[in-house]
Amino acid sequence: AQSVTQPDIHITVSEGASLELRCNYSYGATPYLFWYVQSPGQGLQLLLKYFSGDTLVQGIKGFEAEFKRSQSSFNLRKPSVHWSDAAEYFCAVGADSSASKIIFGSGTRLSIRP
Amino acid sequence: DTEVTQTPKHLVMGMTNKKSLKCEQHMGHRAMYWYKQKAKKPPELMFVYSYEKLSINESVPSRFSPECPNSSLLNLHLHALQPEDSALYLCASSQESSGTGEQFFGPGTRLTVL
Repeated sequence: AQSVTQPDIHITVSEGASLELRCNYSYGATPYLFWYVQSPGQGLQLLLKYFSGDTLVQGIKGFEAEFKRSQSSFNLRKPSVHWSDAAEYFCAVGADSSASKIIFGSGTRLSIRP
Repeated sequence: DTEVTQTPKHLVMGMTNKKSLKCEQHMGHRAMYWYKQKAKKPPELMFVYSYEKLSINESVPSRFSPECPNSSLLNLHLHALQPEDSALYLCASSQESSGTGEQFFGPGTRLTVL
């Protein structure tokens, strides 16, 4: 079965600074990886996803993520954060199987310092 | 239309009440999901419907009863809930029910059980 770990519970960065949120997954085969963002009291919105191919994935809102099989990681990055990026970020892993569910990490809360 | 709608936005109910949550999507998706999310936690999968049939029940107590009247609608019937059932209930849909596809989330119903 697949699993995902987000080691950082809470991160604070200054507006305009770069951002990297960490995600490590566990799965025997090629995983299906996702990053979702959730603003307070809202549903989740997909930022980007990786299934195969180019290991650097571009998403919405200027986010990107890099799949590194050797490190079992799928870290999310943004070169310059905006105050509106303050939210909860969830990494998730799925698998191509009949089990048909996505496993979410525990989440990282991002705060932006003015 | 890439939206999943949920009603009501907020619901307060007593432990003896019967209420229902409603979810709707018009993207032609064949899989629909119910998640429960407690504060500062990731979403927890409750149920998955695939082609209008219940395919996954994550050992959810029988006081939660899902229903999928058609491919666009998903209901969650609530009866005799406990205060610990207070949470944000999220509905999601995807093209197919597998762990590989993007799930589109609704904004959620904030449920408070008194």
